[in-house]
Formats: sequence, C-alpha cells, structure tokens
Amino acid sequence: GNSVTQMEGPVTLSEEAFLTINCTYTATGYPSLFWYVQYPGEGLQLLLKATKADDKGSNKGFEATYRKETTSFHLEKGSVQVSDSAVYFCALPGSARQLTFGSGTQLTVLP
Amino acid sequence: DAGVIQSPRHEVTEMGQEVTLRCKPISGHNSLFWYRQTMMRGLELLIYFNNNVPIDDSGMPEDRFSAKMPNASFSTLKIQPSEPRDSAVYFCASRTDSQEHTEAFFGQGTRLTVV
Repeated sequence: GNSVTQMEGPVTLSEEAFLTINCTYTATGYPSLFWYVQYPGEGLQLLLKATKADDKGSNKGFEATYRKETTSFHLEKGSVQVSDSAVYFCALPGSARQLTFGSGTQLTVLP
Repeated sequence: DAGVIQSPRHEVTEMGQEVTLRCKPISGHNSLFWYRQTMMRGLELLIYFNNNVPIDDSGMPEDRFSAKMPNASFSTLKIQPSEPRDSAVYFCASRTDSQEHTEAFFGQGTRLTVV
C-alpha cells in the first residue's frame, strides 16, 4: 500500500537558517501529497499540499514540490523563525483513502 | 464551522476503569478517523469510518478498544478496561472524500493518562 518515509529528527536550527525536511513516498499512481504541522499542545493542521506531479505547494514561507521522478515531496523554508518550532508530518492517502502519515520530524528553532 | 470538536481535552483515570472519548466531526464531512499519538509509536490510525460505517479497524490494538459512529455528527472511542499503556493523545479527524485531494481536519485531541 501507499506509504511515506520521512527524515528522522529532531532538527535544531538557528533563526533565519534554511530548512529542508525530506519526505519520499511509495504509491500506486499519483496521489495527492500533504505536509501537516503540529504545534505544541495542538492537533495537526494542514500546512500545504500538492495534488499532481510537478505541483508546488506553499504556505507561510514553506514550499514543497511534488517530484514523481524521485518520488519525493521535501519541505523547505528559506529562513526559519522561532515560531516555526513544531513537529512536521508528511502524508498521503492510503488504499482506502485514509491518510497515512510519516513518523514526524521535530523542528526546534533557536533565537 | 467550529472545526472538529473533541471532549474531554484531558482525562485522568485509574487502571481498570472505562474511558469514553467523544468526537464531533465537521458538518458535511463523511469520513472520520481516530488516531493515537505516543512518543514511542508516533501517530497511529486506529479506525476509519466512511458514511458512519467502519471501513478499517485493523489499527485497533485490542478488544478493549471499540469505536462507534451512530450518526454523521458523533463518534466515540471507548477503552474498557483501561491500562497504563493506553496513555496517549487521541485525535479525531474528519474529511470529505468527494475528491481525493481534500485534506483531513484534526481536533485538538484528548490527552489520556491512565494511572
């Protein structure tokens, strides 16, 4: 079935550093791909998504491009802020349309 | 819309007691998911309903866990009897599956502590 493999964490960066969190997927066809973010003490919320190959999702300065050649959907941000500290999850629909999540990557941004 | 509403936000109970977690999905959403999150196992899908019917409950850890969705606006997850290893944050999420690319919306979660 469909699955995602996500970069192991935790990741610690200084403010204004460049961020990359790797995500690769295994899927039948070309499903939509998602990045979710979980701030401390809260539920997951959608950060961005891409619905077809070569699409770029973007939100709050974060970007991810759906690359079918490398089956990847890496999350990037050019300049992180302390407020970006959270856990980030890559996800895609499973065989029964349930969302399958990666293991999550804890990001800590230091001032 | 108020989003997905879960109750209670926190629950502390003694081992052996029955625990019931509640979820109200977003109106109009026809898919509902229960997830469990722990440090050791991450985010695990427990059960998935579509149009109030359980589609996949392979993630339910044991017979002590049961879930119901009596109507489109309410679901429960019950643990009986509860054990300390059930301590986790339980999330409910809903989505509409009218199109494949629609995202799931999560509730704030219920933090369960079994002592």
